[in-house]
Amino acid sequence: SQTIHQWPATLVQPVGSPLSLECTVEGTSNPNLYWYRQAAGRGLQLLFYSVGIGQISSEVPQNLSASRPQDRQFILSSKKLLLSDSGFYLCAWSAIRGEKLFFGSGTQLSVL
Amino acid sequence: DQQVKQNSPSLSVQEGRISILNCDYTNSMFDYFLWYKKYPAEGPTFLISISSIKDKNEDGRFTVFLNKSAKHLSLHIVPSQPGDSAVYFCAASPTSGGGADGLTFGKGTHLIIQP
Repeated sequence: SQTIHQWPATLVQPVGSPLSLECTVEGTSNPNLYWYRQAAGRGLQLLFYSVGIGQISSEVPQNLSASRPQDRQFILSSKKLLLSDSGFYLCAWSAIRGEKLFFGSGTQLSVL
Repeated sequence: DQQVKQNSPSLSVQEGRISILNCDYTNSMFDYFLWYKKYPAEGPTFLISISSIKDKNEDGRFTVFLNKSAKHLSLHIVPSQPGDSAVYFCAASPTSGGGADGLTFGKGTHLIIQP
């Protein structure tokens, strides 16, 4: 069966510090991978998606970036965090584009 | 511009009664709709979905209804149980590929089941 791992579960970072969140998927090959963010009082906002190694599409302009160095690995990064980057970050995968997503357990990021 | 709208931020229902969560969408390219359930500090879990070729899909206590002409869908939970207390997200997608590859989510409705 397929599983998705996301870490860390919680993170507290000062403004201006770098960020790296990692997500891996097991039990499937060539998954579609996604990063979503849930900010306080808001819905789930799609940040990035990837249909293959090295292929990244950005949905929202921001100071975050994403990379997919391996087939089942998806990384969310920032060189300098802003206060507005605080939120609950979720990695997800799907087998078929536009269909059911399976989410990781999320990372609660607090930028202070 | 919010393409998927859940206009009720919260809903309180007595245990054993029916919970009805509503969702409206504006993008006529959407043809696949899903409901997710989310507990605090956890990722959303898939509940039920419906394709635009259907107007109803049922799975145990959960039923989703789709009204394409009104661009409206609803999730019915019968009977409501304490474990149903969570945030419910409505999501939509143009599976034919008319937009972003990810699902578009609403802001969620916090369902509270009262004993």
